[in-house]
Amino acid sequence: GEDVEQSLFLSVREGDSSVINCTYTDSSSTYLYWYKQEPGAGLQLLTYIFSNMDMKQDQRLTVLLNKKDKHLSLRIADTQTGDSAIYFCARAPPTSGTYKYIFGTGTRLKVLA
Amino acid sequence: DAGVIQSPRHEVTEMGQEVTLRCKPISGHNSLFWYRQTMMRGLELLIYFNNNVPIDDSGMPEDRFSAKMPNASFSTLKIQPSEPRDSAVYFCASRASGITDTQYFGPGTRLTVL
Repeated sequence: GEDVEQSLFLSVREGDSSVINCTYTDSSSTYLYWYKQEPGAGLQLLTYIFSNMDMKQDQRLTVLLNKKDKHLSLRIADTQTGDSAIYFCARAPPTSGTYKYIFGTGTRLKVLA
Repeated sequence: DAGVIQSPRHEVTEMGQEVTLRCKPISGHNSLFWYRQTMMRGLELLIYFNNNVPIDDSGMPEDRFSAKMPNASFSTLKIQPSEPRDSAVYFCASRASGITDTQYFGPGTRLTVL
């Protein structure tokens, strides 16, 4: 199958950590991505992780990849109101240079002041 | 780099009219994608170009939709005639040949067909 699944909503308080989860069924991808979409805007690439990595950290963002469980997560430390958006996980096509990316349905993060 | 540029950002038209959406990919990128985003169906791939050549247009919903890429820096998506069910946000994305296969998205065109 080619499903990428995410929970639809997450609500956190400002200053707390947010953890957005994603599960996928096809483990043949080389890269997995996290995109952020603010209202009225396009999908902004936040970060990506190569499939042979377990973790990647970039400032407030930490990506964890559990290949055994086919689970990807995005942790946002010290969540701010500006982090309120929809977050999409996506996986690259299994063969580099091809074109069928699979996107999750998106998780709407609401940050409460 | 300015990123992927799309125009117009918003388009409101009446049923039956022709609509043309425009995209300028990131310079040096050789792959271009058109997507449609709706609440009901999420993000759908409409067509994929590689080196200006359409590779897969199986996602184009009907013959009313057509896309062209006359050169490496410009692509259009045309809907003729438009229908209310075409109302959606249309995104263009581009990608360079490389090791991360990362797509970069434009800001989108919000189309409303009355």
